[in-house]
Amino acid sequence: NAGVTQTPKFRVLKTGQSMTLLCAQDMNHEYMYWYRQDPGMGLRLIHYSVGEGTTAKGEVPDGYNVSRLKKQNFLLGLESAAPSQTSVYFCASSSWQVTNTEAFFGQGTRLTVV
Amino acid sequence: SQQGEEDPQALSIQEGENATMNCSYKTSINNLQWYRQNSGRGLVHLILIRSNEREKHSGRLRVTLDTSKKSSSLLITASRAADTASYFCATGGGGATNKLIFGTGTLLAVQP
Repeated sequence: NAGVTQTPKFRVLKTGQSMTLLCAQDMNHEYMYWYRQDPGMGLRLIHYSVGEGTTAKGEVPDGYNVSRLKKQNFLLGLESAAPSQTSVYFCASSSWQVTNTEAFFGQGTRLTVV
Repeated sequence: SQQGEEDPQALSIQEGENATMNCSYKTSINNLQWYRQNSGRGLVHLILIRSNEREKHSGRLRVTLDTSKKSSSLLITASRAADTASYFCATGGGGATNKLIFGTGTLLAVQP
């Protein structure tokens, strides 16, 4: 039972490069989320999805795009990476509205933009 | 902006002691959740308390909720070295149900 799996676990990018972070869940959850975690800031919501084919903006969406083409996958894209996007990124999923049930988190992707 | 703020930011105790962490939030909530994060790992759900509940227990965890003061506390009894982690409260902001907003966390260190 893998739960929520994030790929890759570590990545170093040069400013201006693009990349996609992949999140996959095997729990048949409707809801999926992308957070970033920075020192002293806690977790901040980037984008989320309430079902296949849907996406919505969170607290800090600028510079990121997302897609939910398949129910089990939620992709986070950086079109032109900036040093300010250096962070640890977490994907999460939940079976129902996340404020009413527990969220399951992946192990995180540590991204450094130089 | 953060919906929840934990207090203290850091806490160091001896094994066997109790640890209490507090969370204050700004807007009305449906429920409040607590999560644990071990160093370098993802978050793990601990407990959910509903807005009409005042207290909830799970093993060595005790959570209280005071909606009039917009605050919650997490008590870990008889702490163990394995409890060393960061602890976060999380709520939906302004009654939102699809967004979980986290506080900045309390870093708990349990000394063996």
